[in-house]
Amino acid sequence: QVQLQESGPGLVKPSQTLSLTCTVSGGSISSGNHYWSWIRQPAGKGLEWIGRIYTTGSTNYNPSLKSRVTISVDTSRNQFSLNLSSVTAADTAVYYCARDTARRGYCGGGTCYENWFDPWGQGTLVTVSS
Amino acid sequence: QSVLTQPPSASGTPGQRVTISCSGSSSNLGSNTVNWYQQLQGTAPKLLIYSNNQWASGVPDRFSGSKSGTSASLAISGLQSEDEADYYCAAWDDSLNGPVFGGGTKLTVL
Repeated sequence: QVQLQESGPGLVKPSQTLSLTCTVSGGSISSGNHYWSWIRQPAGKGLEWIGRIYTTGSTNYNPSLKSRVTISVDTSRNQFSLNLSSVTAADTAVYYCARDTARRGYCGGGTCYENWFDPWGQGTLVTVSS
Repeated sequence: QSVLTQPPSASGTPGQRVTISCSGSSSNLGSNTVNWYQQLQGTAPKLLIYSNNQWASGVPDRFSGSKSGTSASLAISGLQSEDEADYYCAAWDDSLNGPVFGGGTKLTVL
């Protein structure tokens, strides 16, 4: 079964760039028509979607973070990565990577978008502090 | 402030049935399907229900999901102590062009 594991520095200085990598094991990142997403969770708070990438390199980003986010994929290494620039203390959070399944379905006589995250990585805490 | 609205807390006794609500708008729950995630203390979220009412792999049928218009709910029957966790609803938002989450509901088993 597919498993995901985040890696990267646990401490980043303010104004610098946060860089994380998600390694996918148990299956090819290129198979199954999946997107690959990053999601974060500040301590004691809810979940926030950061963005996603398809294996063709096509990306979608949360508009609130779009100016600072870059997600890339390396299919040869079965990895995808997150770069978040100009970080502040507000970017301190647990960062998760997840496989993102998306498809057009039929709901109540019309089309709808079905999108879910499964599985998730275990998460990695990134603290922004000098 | 989350795009989807959930009650911050819910509780029940073992064996009871509890429901958790999730309210949205025409651009998310009104147009697309809802998913539910369970997050046990200190762990990553886990998919429970997808596409409104489909069980993720390995999820017991004590959990069930439903959606009507711009509202959705997660029901847990035969409540067990191990169900104590945070529960999040999520859906694609056509205006954001991305998924949005509820603020989460902390379920306490008394």
